[in-house]
Amino acid sequence: GNSVTQMEGPVTLSEEAFLTINCTYTATGYPSLFWYVQYPGEGLQLLLKATKADDKGSNKGFEATYRKETTSFHLEKGSVQVSDSAVYFCALGTGGFKTIFGAGTRLFVKA
Amino acid sequence: DAGVTQSPTHLIKTRGQQVTLRCSPKSGHDTVSWYQQALGQGPQFIFQYYEEEERQRGNFPDRFSGHQFPNYSSELNVNALLLGDSALYLCASSPYRGQGPETQYFGPGTRLLVL
Repeated sequence: GNSVTQMEGPVTLSEEAFLTINCTYTATGYPSLFWYVQYPGEGLQLLLKATKADDKGSNKGFEATYRKETTSFHLEKGSVQVSDSAVYFCALGTGGFKTIFGAGTRLFVKA
Repeated sequence: DAGVTQSPTHLIKTRGQQVTLRCSPKSGHDTVSWYQQALGQGPQFIFQYYEEEERQRGNFPDRFSGHQFPNYSSELNVNALLLGDSALYLCASSPYRGQGPETQYFGPGTRLLVL
């Protein structure tokens, strides 16, 4: 079946450090891939997306590239800020609106 | 423009009881999806409503049912509550018109505790 696996957290970084959160997926067909972010006390927000192989999604300094050969969609940011502290979810969509989420990775950024 | 709103924000029930959660979609959206997010886990898709009908369903038992009203708002009903139903319940709305999950806007959720 379809599934998403992402690295366990929490991830703790100092401000301006480089961030990578790994995500791999299993899916039939050609899914779309997403990263969502959940700030404390708020709902999920779409951070970025990629709809086909080799697409790069980017937003607010975050990037992720859809790698079909390695079934991966790793999230990266060159320089994190305290305000990036949140829970990040990797997700895939295979048709319609059903979205399959990973378990989430909590990020703490220290000043 | 109000986003997706959900009520109540928190709820405490006991095993065997029934619960109804409510969702008002973002203005201009006609499709509502419901998700269950257990503590420390990612959201799991329960079902999606469009034109007052259930269109897609995840792997949830029949104890979970829903409804969509003509004004596009929606309810999630859970019967015979179990301890394992304790979770954050998220509602997401989107415009249907052939667009995919990237158009979903999520509400803040209702936190349900079953004792």
